[in-house]
Amino acid sequence: GAVVSQHPSWVICKSGTSVKIECRSLDFQATTMFWYRQFPKQSLMLMATSNEGSKATYEQGVEKDKFLINHASLTLSTLTVTSAHPEDSSFYICSARTSGRLYNEQFFGPGTRLTVL
Amino acid sequence: KQEVTQIPAALSVPEGENLVLNCSFTDSAIYNLQWFRQDPGKGLTSLLLIQSSQREQTSGRLNASLDKSSGRSTLYIAASQPGDSATYLCAAGPYQAGTALIFGKGTTLSVSS
Repeated sequence: GAVVSQHPSWVICKSGTSVKIECRSLDFQATTMFWYRQFPKQSLMLMATSNEGSKATYEQGVEKDKFLINHASLTLSTLTVTSAHPEDSSFYICSARTSGRLYNEQFFGPGTRLTVL
Repeated sequence: KQEVTQIPAALSVPEGENLVLNCSFTDSAIYNLQWFRQDPGKGLTSLLLIQSSQREQTSGRLNASLDKSSGRSTLYIAASQPGDSATYLCAAGPYQAGTALIFGKGTTLSVSS
């Protein structure tokens, strides 16, 4: 139980295009989802927190107009990187929290590797 | 603001050695502390989760301890194997409900045969 999937697992795009990454909780309802970014040989940095049905809360330094987050249902959150540039190339990982017995644990997706040419 | 530090940044040991990875956090008001493993280019694998009320957790050859008062956690790996080679990340769970784990930079472990 408590499985989180991400799609796609990797994507290559041209500079200036937009890329959408999906994060799904497969067997539980995710009241909160988190998006992290990881540059090579660095740790995971939290980008934003999203609660179902409300606007995402972005961490300082993360452009909300560039990284659009939608958490339209309790099982799906999407991250859209708009007008991507090479410096946006990174590993994007989502995680989800639920309520109930496992409410204080985060479950992580497998990550999406984005390469912007 | 919570900060998580991991020492050492990298560690190389021969197969069979017992080893300890260290994690420290600045704010002792945590809900839990979690250790993950990350293989190159891959996602996270959860190893051990220690609740704030617990002192340690064990899984196979792994043992993680938590000392909230000193802001420290250790991950002990017994009888290391080449397959243990990976980056180990420590993450602190803030006490506020619904907030995200804060990660350290990790310790990259290399176990030689």
